[in-house]
Amino acid sequence: QLVVTQSPSASASLGASVKLTCTLTSGRTTAAIAWHQQQPGKGPRFLMNVNSDGSHTKADGTPDRFSGSSSGAERYLIISSLQSEDEADYYCQTWGTDIQVFGGGTRLTVL
Amino acid sequence: QLQLQESGPGLVKPSQTLSLTCTVSGGPRISIDNYWGWIRQPPGKGLEWVGSVHGNTYWSSFEGRVTVSVDTTKNHFSLQLTSVTAADTAVYYCARHWSGMVGRTWVVGGFDSWGQGTLVTVSS
Repeated sequence: QLVVTQSPSASASLGASVKLTCTLTSGRTTAAIAWHQQQPGKGPRFLMNVNSDGSHTKADGTPDRFSGSSSGAERYLIISSLQSEDEADYYCQTWGTDIQVFGGGTRLTVL
Repeated sequence: QLQLQESGPGLVKPSQTLSLTCTVSGGPRISIDNYWGWIRQPPGKGLEWVGSVHGNTYWSSFEGRVTVSVDTTKNHFSLQLTSVTAADTAVYYCARHWSGMVGRTWVVGGFDSWGQGTLVTVSS
């Protein structure tokens, strides 16, 4: 079964950095994922793909403050120099043959 | 810049069929080579994939309740969800799949462009 797990919440101070984690089902250490941001009251926005080797491909318009990395079955979204507009829900998504799966999302609070 | 716009009734009665259309603009005309999908979000909850389509083939985890189709002449694709209940009340989003060669393999990945969403309420 294809499952991705995210912590429900995270918080960090304005100007600081934060690392959000997406954990893949065991055995899927080679899978890529996508990160999406959903600001309050808005639809999701694609941020980037993150591959198993840590390489990532960002969408046009994704700020340089956003980056991705990987370790084993974990995929990360790193946001540096946090700004107030980064307060949002962040979803990871992975895929398999004829299936797409979203994590439950992480609500990021900027203190 | 690619834009996707959902349209359809905002209110559907229980047991009826929910029908939505996603019109694509701002890019090349859609073709049977593209991959498109539908995602929904119940109020206060997370994202849930509904179904996807490529040409005349669609796939979904909704066990026969979902049909997704593409009309290249109208530059849009559509969702039909049958036998709806209150549990199908959600904001429905349409989106484009990323797809491309990874090494020697054609990969259909996640969604890289989203519509703004439309709320569909199931109620009598």
